[in-house]
Amino acid sequence: RKEVEQDPGPFNVPEGATVAFNCTYSNSASQSFFWYRQDCRKEPKLLMSVYSSGNEDGRFTAQLNRASQYISLLIRDSKLSDSATYLCVVLNYGGSQGNLIFGKGTKLSVKP
Amino acid sequence: GAVVSQHPSWVICKSGTSVKIECRSLDFQATTMFWYRQFPKQSLMLMATSNEGSKATYEQGVEKDKFLINHASLTLSTLTVTSAHPEDSSFYICSARDGRAVAGELFFGEGSRLTVL
Repeated sequence: RKEVEQDPGPFNVPEGATVAFNCTYSNSASQSFFWYRQDCRKEPKLLMSVYSSGNEDGRFTAQLNRASQYISLLIRDSKLSDSATYLCVVLNYGGSQGNLIFGKGTKLSVKP
Repeated sequence: GAVVSQHPSWVICKSGTSVKIECRSLDFQATTMFWYRQFPKQSLMLMATSNEGSKATYEQGVEKDKFLINHASLTLSTLTVTSAHPEDSSFYICSARDGRAVAGELFFGEGSRLTVL
């Protein structure tokens, strides 16, 4: 089982739609969780951290379920500019991969 | 946020030549930088951790003699792909962690797309 797994998509949605991405991780000792956004042929950038209590930033809501080792990202009222690949990232303190482990990403395409 | 600059953005070279990629932290000091490689439709894979003033730590399966890393100052790390071959063609990205930022936030360079003919 891969350390971080995501549905690769692509998710093709119309503007204004609500879309949800899921991610599972294998290491139950993982400490912190993040969603990064990567535009085509660009570097990844932090979108938001994911807290156990769930957190919201404008149209974006992230949730964590430690028992199920599951992370989600919900995007409401999708905009064309939301089109990108969303990377689920897990931080394992003391892990071998520089602590941050990246999923392959879920591609989102928002259409007019 | 913190700024990491990477150069060159694009490079095309002949098989057998060496290519150097630079990564600079512009507004903070980075004792540690990370080098990743990303193949199309794949996740970022950590190649090595670059430590200022000491040897880099390479991930399993990454040839240290092929991917030379030098971290001579607190703001500069370089990755040299020696004797490049077509299978080395990839997107190479460096990153650094700013101690002032939230834990887990990495700032990435713009990436360097290497094509080996």
